[in-house]
Amino acid sequence: DAKTTQPPSMDCAEGRAANLPCNHSTISGNEYVYWYRQIHSQGPQYIIHGLKNNETNEMASLIITEDRKSSTLILPHATLRDTAVYYCIATLMNRDDKIIFGKGTRLHILP
Amino acid sequence: DTGVSQNPRHKITKRGQNVTFRCDPISEHNRLYWYRQTLGQGPEFLTYFQNEAQLEKSRLLSDRFSAERPKGSFSTLEIQRTEQGDSAMYLCASSLDYSEAFFGQGTRLTVV
Repeated sequence: DAKTTQPPSMDCAEGRAANLPCNHSTISGNEYVYWYRQIHSQGPQYIIHGLKNNETNEMASLIITEDRKSSTLILPHATLRDTAVYYCIATLMNRDDKIIFGKGTRLHILP
Repeated sequence: DTGVSQNPRHKITKRGQNVTFRCDPISEHNRLYWYRQTLGQGPEFLTYFQNEAQLEKSRLLSDRFSAERPKGSFSTLEIQRTEQGDSAMYLCASSLDYSEAFFGQGTRLTVV
């Protein structure tokens, strides 16, 4: 898997958009960018994934740069329940691949 | 709830004892993963199955660890002769083919 780099921690005010960056400068053309988050004492939770195009779902938006060397996860209106560790993962997602987690970004939503 | 189920949620054992954890994946999910997580770290990959076939084992999975997935349904993770360093959260996840993985709540092991 391509190595991803994320800031260790970030703060965001409640109600504001939280923008979490991820660098994956060595990503290959067929590797997807996946985002998971882990709320304290729970298992990781899938958020969103993308290959080239920007993606949006009910939880978040994923913006991938044109050169695919970095991406940003956007939580449009952060709430206290969004406080968690967010993991950015680059993976082929095929038979021979698996999900490898880094240390992620610890996001604190401030009231 | 038809999510991934892990049992037990908590296990305290004495050093040297054997423990076994069970994971029931989401029905019809053919891939199953095991991870270990210690405080402040991201989940570390241990092993994964495609149906009943164990496709890969991490070097973290020493000879004391064994995982099975008979009949491609539930899975068990056994740790023999537990050591204090085995204390961690053990997470199970499942997915349908190569789609996103769904994780269970984990089994927290404490070796005393």
